[in-house]
Amino acid sequence: KAGVTQTPRYLIKTRGQQVTLSCSPISGHRSVSWYQQTPGQGLQFLFEYFSETQRNKGNFPGRFSGRQFSNSRSEMNVSTLELGDSALYLCASSDLRAGSYNEQFFGPGTRLTVL
Amino acid sequence: GESVGLHLPTLSVQEGDNSIINCAYSNSASDYFIWYKQESGKGPQFIIDIRSNMDKRQGQRVTVLLNKTVKHLSLQIAATQPGDSAVYFCAEINNAGNMLTFGGGTRLMVKP
Repeated sequence: KAGVTQTPRYLIKTRGQQVTLSCSPISGHRSVSWYQQTPGQGLQFLFEYFSETQRNKGNFPGRFSGRQFSNSRSEMNVSTLELGDSALYLCASSDLRAGSYNEQFFGPGTRLTVL
Repeated sequence: GESVGLHLPTLSVQEGDNSIINCAYSNSASDYFIWYKQESGKGPQFIIDIRSNMDKRQGQRVTVLLNKTVKHLSLQIAATQPGDSAVYFCAEINNAGNMLTFGGGTRLMVKP
């Protein structure tokens, strides 16, 4: 089974621009979560999608948004980029079963640099 | 590398020695705790988990200890190998079951 894939792997943008990152979960996984990883803050939860609906949301401004498609692929968008948005963005998928803990499998991440 | 690297505590051990990595958590209502390993250029990889009603769980060369009284989690790696060099994170599962919060991480360096 192929793992979680994320595209692009690297991205350079300038302040004020917007960016869209893509994540393809493991086949059959319907839950996709996004995380931001920075040296100062560590790994922080952005949001989680299941069946095209956002189920959980972290403490990030509205410039960060996401969506999930019917095939479970997910995208996240960051508008009006700021220097502080430079980070590794990680996507994780899980085979969600109601009422139980589900292991998350991470992709390699997209390294975003904002100049 | 691609992992959190610049501000992490570092544990340096000799190959073959045992390693102990510690983590403090904040949410006493967490159901599960997980240890992840992140190598340079890769996303976090699951190592071992423990449910909140347990205090010890063993895997292959790894043991996780949970002390709920002081909200402390530790990962013990036996006979540490160069391939164990990575950043290690602890994570807790919230009551909804799918949101993870991560500790800052510890960089493990194994000297041959």
